[in-house]
Amino acid sequence: AQKITQTQPGMFVQEKEAVTLDCTYDTSDQSYGLFWYKQPSSGEMIFLIYQGSYDEQNATEGRYSLNFQKARKSANLVISASQLGDSAMYFCAMREAVDGYKLSFGAGTTVTVRA
Amino acid sequence: EAGVTQFPSHSVIEKGQTVTLRCDPISGHDNLYWYRRVMGKEIKFLLHFVKESKQDESGMPNNRFLAERTGGTYSTLKVQPAELEDSGVYFCASSQIGTERLFFGSGTQLSVL
Repeated sequence: AQKITQTQPGMFVQEKEAVTLDCTYDTSDQSYGLFWYKQPSSGEMIFLIYQGSYDEQNATEGRYSLNFQKARKSANLVISASQLGDSAMYFCAMREAVDGYKLSFGAGTTVTVRA
Repeated sequence: EAGVTQFPSHSVIEKGQTVTLRCDPISGHDNLYWYRRVMGKEIKFLLHFVKESKQDESGMPNNRFLAERTGGTYSTLKVQPAELEDSGVYFCASSQIGTERLFFGSGTQLSVL
C-alpha cells in the first residue's frame, strides 16, 4: 500500500502568490514524522520542514508551513510569496517509529513559478 | 560546513560491468543512508548504517548490491554486475544520532546501457 500520496504531478504558480502542495499519508503507527524536501534541477534534496505526529502546532520555517491535519492524515506544504527559485520538485516523506529510520517518499510534485 | 558529497555525479556503464558509488557524509554524522529513485518510481530506501554497522539493509534489491562503510566514515555502494533495471539516481543521506533531519547529497545518476 502506498504510504505517501502526492496527487499533483505538476503545478504552475504565479510569482509572489502562495501555493499548496498536497500530501496524504497512511500509517497505523502513533509515532511518526512528516518531512518535505525540495529537489531543484541541481539534484540535491534540500530539507524544508518537519512535523512530528505529537506536535500540536503546525510547523513553520520561513515561507514554508505545514498544514498538519492528523485526523485526515494530511500534511500539505504551503509556500507563501512564491519566488522563481522555488521552481523545483517537492517530495513529501514519512518516517514511522515501527519502521526504524526509513523514509517513505511520495512521487513528488513539480512546481513551476512563473514571472 | 561541507554537506553530503557523492561521486561520481553521473556514471554510464554497460550491462554486466561493475560500478562503485561513493558517499561522504557530513562529519560527525553516524547515521548514513542510501536511497534510490528508478525512472518513474518513488524514492526507495536501500539501507542504513550506524557508524560502520549495517542497521537495516531490508531495501537492498538483491545480492548484486554491496554497501560498505569502513571505519564509519565514507560509504561505498557497489553494483556487480549491473543490470538495465539498476539505472536511476542513487542518493546518500546522513544525520546525527537522535535527530530527525536527514541531509541528502546531490545523488549519482547511474545509467546502465
